Amino acid sequence: AQSVTQLDSQVPVFEEAPVELRCNYSSSVSVYLFWYVQYPNQGLQLLLKYLSGSTLVKGINGFEAEFNKSQTSFHLRKPSVHISDTAEYFCAVGNTGRRALTFGSGTRLQVQP
Amino acid sequence: GAVVSQHPSRVICKSGTSVKIECRSLDFQATTMFWYRQFPKKSLMLMATSNEGSKATYEQGVEKDKFLINHASLTLSTLTVTSAHPEDSSFYICSATDRGVGNTEAFFGQGTRLTVV
Repeated sequence: AQSVTQLDSQVPVFEEAPVELRCNYSSSVSVYLFWYVQYPNQGLQLLLKYLSGSTLVKGINGFEAEFNKSQTSFHLRKPSVHISDTAEYFCAVGNTGRRALTFGSGTRLQVQP
Repeated sequence: GAVVSQHPSRVICKSGTSVKIECRSLDFQATTMFWYRQFPKKSLMLMATSNEGSKATYEQGVEKDKFLINHASLTLSTLTVTSAHPEDSSFYICSATDRGVGNTEAFFGQGTRLTVV
């Protein structure tokens, strides 16, 4: 079984400030890790993914995430956020055995002017 | 990039009627599609896994007779909510994996907002 924990349900931050959205996972097998963004009433857009190799993954819109196997974490970061980054962010885990993704509960990023 | 189209984006139906939601992979073949349900301000919960040419695999607690899934071709899966009730109102999202690149990425549709009145 695998699970994903996003500890922060909401993260308010001022525009141009840095942000980190936390994600921890548990799994008994090797995993793939993903971050998705969801805007209101829309589907999910992939921000970035970790499959293997370098633990620092760069994605779209200036986001990056670091895979830390010892801490079973995959935190998402952006050095300077914009108002347009306001959205719901989901961390997800998958593996070769179970092809459906398991999602965290989501973190609402609210960027304030 | 791979595109998954979901239709309709919004639907309002009367209680007791059935609603069909389509999920199409536009530029790739999807041997497997997934159907998720998202409650307000909640995460996505997997409902079922749809495999082309075979019966869907439902998650525990999901009524297979209520949520009928058909995956008749490599580019189309449908979810039919039968005898819909207000508690079925939700946001439904499909996703598909590209057979060509394996299972390492799922592409999501735009979602369908179902409101049962």
